[in-house]
Amino acid sequence: EADIYQTPRYLVIGTGKKITLECSQTMGHDKMYWYQQDPGMELHLIHYSYGVNSTEKGDLSSESTVSRIRTEHFPLTLESARPSHTSQYLCASAQLRGGSPLHFGNGTRLTVT
Amino acid sequence: AQKVTQAQTEISVVEKEDVTLDCVYETRDTTYYLFWYKQPPSGELVFLIRRNSFDEQNEISGRYSWNFQKSTSSFNFTITASQVVDSAVYFCALSEAGGANSKLTFGKGITLSVRP
Repeated sequence: EADIYQTPRYLVIGTGKKITLECSQTMGHDKMYWYQQDPGMELHLIHYSYGVNSTEKGDLSSESTVSRIRTEHFPLTLESARPSHTSQYLCASAQLRGGSPLHFGNGTRLTVT
Repeated sequence: AQKVTQAQTEISVVEKEDVTLDCVYETRDTTYYLFWYKQPPSGELVFLIRRNSFDEQNEISGRYSWNFQKSTSSFNFTITASQVVDSAVYFCALSEAGGANSKLTFGKGITLSVRP
């Protein structure tokens, strides 16, 4: 049973639209992450957060933005979607303690036409 | 800087064969954690195992076993008597023990295909 939820599961949208990918977790985890995964399967960290009002950019530069107003919620927003944003986006959470494993959501597969 | 190398990109085996997925890591820390994750075709990443750098005991869980060797900086994963349901992408990952601010570094993944 999943304790971290991502919606939508699939999204097809036109260029220029604003989109928000939702991620929520019920485990009370302080740390949350967004990864981008392309067809080559490599995972790239694009955003992370260590708690409420904490957001950091990851290793891969991204035009998306995130917010962390509540512990359980970590949405990702693209102000103007482009075909280059087509990818799978995976959200994860973990306990604050170092070495804690990440728990992943099912992902959102985004296609921008 | 930490790094994880999964040199194998794709492996194909016939059901019931044993298969080993290799993982080599680099880190300057003496305290760190190693992980394996499985990503089936449905897309979610499933946590399989975590080892810390002070525990080199090999671990077995059913058909899965892990061999951690600090001398060669390797954390290999073996599936015994593979099954079609084992078909997935497998990721090895490393986290340095930097406390709350430690980040996870993933390898590029190995695609395992088990044929009936």
